[in-house]
Amino acid sequence: GQQLNQSPQSMFIQEGEDVSMNCTSSSIFNTWLWYKQDPGEGPVLLIALYKAGELTSNGRLTAQFGITRKDSFLNISASIPSDVGIYFCAGQGAGAQKLVFGQGTRLTINP
Amino acid sequence: EPEVTQTPSHQVTQMGQEVILRCVPISNHLYFYWYRQILGQKVEFLVSFYNNEISEKSEIFDDQFSVERPDGSNFTLKIRSTKLEDSAMYFCASRRGQGWDQPQHFGDGTRLSIL
Repeated sequence: GQQLNQSPQSMFIQEGEDVSMNCTSSSIFNTWLWYKQDPGEGPVLLIALYKAGELTSNGRLTAQFGITRKDSFLNISASIPSDVGIYFCAGQGAGAQKLVFGQGTRLTINP
Repeated sequence: EPEVTQTPSHQVTQMGQEVILRCVPISNHLYFYWYRQILGQKVEFLVSFYNNEISEKSEIFDDQFSVERPDGSNFTLKIRSTKLEDSAMYFCASRRGQGWDQPQHFGDGTRLSIL
């Protein structure tokens, strides 16, 4: 079945540093989404990408939909303590209802 | 901002018992989903539901699982005879339409613990 490989699995950074994470797939997706999950809560949508090559920002977050439609990255600039959490990429194929999730990137920030 | 709400937040059940997890999707949404997340693992799709029928399901969603929209606001997931391996967080999600700019929004989940 479709799988997303998300990396890195975890990151330990200093407050103020920039962060980059990515997802790759052997399958094409028509939609890429990035979610953040805090402990005990559900995934919260950060950025949605709908067109190959699209680059979208949401405050300090920037994400891109790869031109091949098989990858996406998320960047966080000037990290702050509330950025701590687990970040998931998710892809949706053409005509599909389901989202396929990556394994997540756990972000830890040292103040 | 409208939210997907799920109850209960934590359900503890004996193995073999039936359990019903409840969700209230966002009010003008038409597409509904259940996902699960085993502790420390990724989120996995279970089932999607539209127009009072299942539109897609995964291999996890076997005969022990069923979904229902009993009224205009609730969307439920029933597990008929729970197993230890059903212990997980279960997330409900909803989506207004299938348009390219209409993503899925998730609830905070129900933690299901099978003893």
